[in-house]
Amino acid sequence: AQTVTQSQPEMSVQEAETVTLSCTYDTSESNYYLFWYKQPPSRQMILVIRQEAYKQQNATENRFSVNFQKAAKSFSLKISDSQLGDTAMYFCAFMKINSGNTPLVFGKGTRLSVIA
Amino acid sequence: DTAVSQTPKYLVTQMGNDKSIKCEQNLGHDTMYWYKQDSKKFLKIMFSYNNKELIINETVPNRFSPKSPDKAHLNLHINSLELGDSAVYFCASVGTSSTDTQYFGPGTRLTVL
Repeated sequence: AQTVTQSQPEMSVQEAETVTLSCTYDTSESNYYLFWYKQPPSRQMILVIRQEAYKQQNATENRFSVNFQKAAKSFSLKISDSQLGDTAMYFCAFMKINSGNTPLVFGKGTRLSVIA
Repeated sequence: DTAVSQTPKYLVTQMGNDKSIKCEQNLGHDTMYWYKQDSKKFLKIMFSYNNKELIINETVPNRFSPKSPDKAHLNLHINSLELGDSAVYFCASVGTSSTDTQYFGPGTRLTVL
């Protein structure tokens, strides 16, 4: 079974600064995807970024980028130029690639507060 | 046009009651899920359906019964509600390609008194 660990229950960052959220995972699978989801107070689950395990290049989406270290099973999220709207719970998630789609396995989340 | 919708968004009920949560997706996806988010925000899969067929049942009590009348709908019926059932329940759907992204509904906050 896969497990996802987020070791930082809470973090805070000043507006316009950079913050990195940590995530490690454990799996024996070789083909999988990793995701970061954002959950603001509205509770909607919003996909921030995804990474295919077979790609060595780190994914980026505007101010969001990941540091994917496959051998270390590490998948951290960097948020640059933090904005007040980035305040939310952030979940790291794992999905193994199967013949069909498989459910996501989530970490316990990191609550990020962006301070003005 | 909402991709994945859930009704109701809030549900407050007494212990012992039976309630249902409905989910509909208009994305043409074949696979739908129910996830439960507990009071500590931990999200965990409950059920997975593919083309109206149950694929995954993650040791959920049999008081929970999912039903998929067609591949666009996946409803969750809960019998004899208990205090511990209080949570946010998310429906999600995904297409057939392994590169597809899961889309989540807005969640239903269930409070059992």
